[in-house]
Amino acid sequence: GEDVEQSLFLSVREGDSSVINCTYTDSSSTYLYWYKQEPGAGLQLLTYIFSNMDMKQDQRLTVLLNKKDKHLSLRIADTQTGDSAIYFCAGTSGTYKYIFGTGTRLKVLA
Amino acid sequence: NAGVTQTPKFQVLKTGQSMTLQCAQDMNHEYMSWYRQDPGMGLRLIHYSVGAGITDQGEVPNGYNVSRSTTEDFPLRLLSAAPSQTSVYFCASGGDLSPYEQYFGPGTRLTVT
Repeated sequence: GEDVEQSLFLSVREGDSSVINCTYTDSSSTYLYWYKQEPGAGLQLLTYIFSNMDMKQDQRLTVLLNKKDKHLSLRIADTQTGDSAIYFCAGTSGTYKYIFGTGTRLKVLA
Repeated sequence: NAGVTQTPKFQVLKTGQSMTLQCAQDMNHEYMSWYRQDPGMGLRLIHYSVGAGITDQGEVPNGYNVSRSTTEDFPLRLLSAAPSQTSVYFCASGGDLSPYEQYFGPGTRLTVT
């Protein structure tokens, strides 16, 4: 079946850039998302990209999509302690039935 | 708007007990869903609903029942709790088509002993 993989942990220093990676197997994914989960809270949509795009920038966030390699990444510029959270990538072919990745726990060191 | 609300926040059950996790949304969304979150496994879809009176199974439906009698409410019932159902449960809703953004509740942490 469809699978979405992420590395489990990432640690960066405050002010550095963070890059969180995701690989997926379902080539029919039309929408690809990045959700953020802060401790004790639900998930919140950070950004999304359509499969016909290569890149999307939104303030400190840059999403890159390599369709050939089925690879999605989220770059957070000037990472702050408030960015410490779990980040999930997810995909869908055009419904609300997402396939979620395992989540990457980002720890920002002061 | 309160968004998506879930009760209770925490629950401890003994094996074999039953209970209902409550979920409500005030955004008039047609789509609602239940996920469970387990360490290292991301979120997995349990059941979902595309409107009042319509429900369907997700990836891991066994041991859970749902109903959708109103647009606002989507309760999840555990029929006979098992330790394997120890997890964090999230309810979500969505109402706009593209880009199919989902809004999540704060979660219910369930422990089955």
